[in-house]
Amino acid sequence: GAGVSQSPSNKVTEKGKDVELRCDPISGHTALYWYRQSLGQGLEFLIYFQGNSAPDKSGLPSDRFSAERTGGSVSTLTIQRTQQEDSAVYLCASSLAQAVTEAFFGQGTRLTVV
Amino acid sequence: GDSVTQMEGPVTLSEEAFLTINCTYTATGYPSLFWYVQYPGEGLQLLLKATKADDKGSNKGFEATYRKETTSFHLEKGSVQVSDSAVYFCALSSPYNTDKLIFGTGTRLQVFP
Repeated sequence: GAGVSQSPSNKVTEKGKDVELRCDPISGHTALYWYRQSLGQGLEFLIYFQGNSAPDKSGLPSDRFSAERTGGSVSTLTIQRTQQEDSAVYLCASSLAQAVTEAFFGQGTRLTVV
Repeated sequence: GDSVTQMEGPVTLSEEAFLTINCTYTATGYPSLFWYVQYPGEGLQLLLKATKADDKGSNKGFEATYRKETTSFHLEKGSVQVSDSAVYFCALSSPYNTDKLIFGTGTRLQVFP
């Protein structure tokens, strides 16, 4: 596609349920990033992929969070046993190389845990 | 650790007014500095950047100067338009870790005709 695509755009889930958020990067972009924006907070780095490997996953807030990337393309961020504090907008970005400043961002997935 | 602090919004202006959105940072070494913009319903976009002290980034009439002495990177525009209404994020990238951006909390700008 022309840009980074994220789905769903909105997700409401019950506390304790698992959710999967999807990111389709721009074709050919080898680097992929996940960020989170909580209410009143800046964008918080979660994880970075180069190809299918994640050299930096230092931002994942707990072991309930995991992410994978397959075929050097689509990435899925999974949150297990969701908590209310997980409510946020989750943003994905991709870039041609390891240069996040040249990255293109998707419109995000707004997750609400009730 | 490294951090970015920017003024809280919303900032409300009339069209053609002068805009300043303050941004200060804390970082080790010499980071690169950025302003991103998020227009309603759109993804985050890079607006401008500066990679060393005294550099001035500019784009679409917006400017910001990298001030090492005051650790600041304030965003300015001489005459705002309604179409500039958006959320603006200040960010930095450490020279020791280029795979992540550290963002401020964002400032919402509302411009009225």
